Amino acid sequence: QVQLQQSGAELVKPGSSVKISCKASGYTFTSYDMHWIKQQPGNGLEWIGWIYPGNGNTKYNQKFNGKATLTADKSSSTAYMQLSSLTSEDSAVYFCARSGFMYGVMDAWGQGASVTVSS
Amino acid sequence: DIQMTQSPASLSASLGETVTIECLASEDIYSNLAWYQQKPGKSPQLLIYYANSLNDGVPSRFSGSGSGTQYSLKINSLQSEDVSIYFCQQNYDSPWTFGGGTKLELK
Repeated sequence: QVQLQQSGAELVKPGSSVKISCKASGYTFTSYDMHWIKQQPGNGLEWIGWIYPGNGNTKYNQKFNGKATLTADKSSSTAYMQLSSLTSEDSAVYFCARSGFMYGVMDAWGQGASVTVSS
Repeated sequence: DIQMTQSPASLSASLGETVTIECLASEDIYSNLAWYQQKPGKSPQLLIYYANSLNDGVPSRFSGSGSGTQYSLKINSLQSEDVSIYFCQQNYDSPWTFGGGTKLELK
């Protein structure tokens, strides 16, 4: 079955960077978009961007331009999101999610990775 | 960006009841509307896409309807396992945007 396994919780200092991973299994990694979504405590969901692992094409929510960088490693079926210049506003749970059967509809999600930015 | 407004923000209902959650888009999204269920401490899961198409494995007590800017999610015969937060999301125009969520609790 389709599985997206994300890396663990991170505690990072303000001004630093963090890289979260999302390892895909159970489907052809290069044939589906991979999205990243932010959820702050008590808040809703914000779409950060997507990457198409087949050719590395990316599209970002303008709000996250310069904050998030999406990459993918076809050899290990793993997608990555790097967040830079971290502030307390970046403290959140970050999900990866696949879409493919319908553009922009996310039919499988990772379990989420918690990022806490604190000195 | 397309704004998605969900109502109510929270809802309390009894087992066996029928509940309805509304989602209003700031412009016509031509039925490009998905609903997700997020159980406590878990990731969201797709329930419905294209406004009224049930995702595989989703119980038939869930249904979606609507068009244009107005959409709704209906849950018939509420079960205890339906306690969750429900989100709508438009996939008509990037950036994809979500509603603020509806927290459904048991009365």
